[in-house]
Amino acid sequence: SQKIEQNSEALNIQEGKTATLTCNYTNYSPAYLQWYRQDPGRGPVFLLLIRENEKEKRKERLKVTFDTTLKQSLFHITASQPADSATYLCALGYGQNFVFGPGTRLSVLP
Amino acid sequence: KAGVTQTPRYLIKTRGQQVTLSCSPISGHRSVSWYQQTPGQGLQFLFEYFSETQRNKGNFPGRFSGRQFSNSRSEMNVSTLELGDSALYLCASSLGGTGTLSGNTIYFGEGSWLTVV
Repeated sequence: SQKIEQNSEALNIQEGKTATLTCNYTNYSPAYLQWYRQDPGRGPVFLLLIRENEKEKRKERLKVTFDTTLKQSLFHITASQPADSATYLCALGYGQNFVFGPGTRLSVLP
Repeated sequence: KAGVTQTPRYLIKTRGQQVTLSCSPISGHRSVSWYQQTPGQGLQFLFEYFSETQRNKGNFPGRFSGRQFSNSRSEMNVSTLELGDSALYLCASSLGGTGTLSGNTIYFGEGSWLTVV
C-alpha cells in the first residue's frame, strides 16, 4: 500500500545545530516533492520544491535532498533557531494528485 | 497582494446539520484545493477545482462537496455532519494546480475550524 512517513512525530535539537528531517515514501512515483512549515493554528507555508531529476535544492539556511532510489527526502535546517520551531510537512506530487506526510514537530531549544 | 481568505474562521455545528465554508483565492490563481486536517489523520486532500471544474477528488464520502465560481472563489459543503467531521478545513490556491506537470507552489489560508457537537 502507499505510505508516506516522516522520521518522527517530534524532534528536539539545540539552538545552533543542524536539524535533519526525513520523509520516506512507499509505492509512490512522485514527480516532485515539497516541504511546508506549519505553526499551531495556522495554514502550512511553502518552503521548498524539488523535482525528481534534482538531487539537492537550497534556500538560505534550508537544504532539501531527493533520492528516488532510496525513496527519501531529507530536509536540513542549518544554524537552527528557536523561531524554527514548528511542524514540518513533506508532500508528494504524482499524476494529478498531491499527498502530505504526517509531519514532524521540531523544537529548537535555546 | 492579499493571501487566501477563508470564512468563517470558527464555527460550531450540531450533528446532522450541514455547513458551507468559503474560500477566496489569491488574485489570478485559478486552482483551489481543499484539505481536512485532524490530529489523527493529518492533512488529507478533499478536492481540487480549476476553472470551475472539479479536477481531482480525494477519498471522502459524497457528503463532502464543493464548487468553484467564475471568479475562482470556492465553497465546500458538508452535509449530515458527523462528530468525526470536526477538523481544521484548509483551502489553498495556486496558479495552475498541483498536478505532475505543474509543481506549482500552493498557498494556504488560515483555515476554518469546524466543531461538530
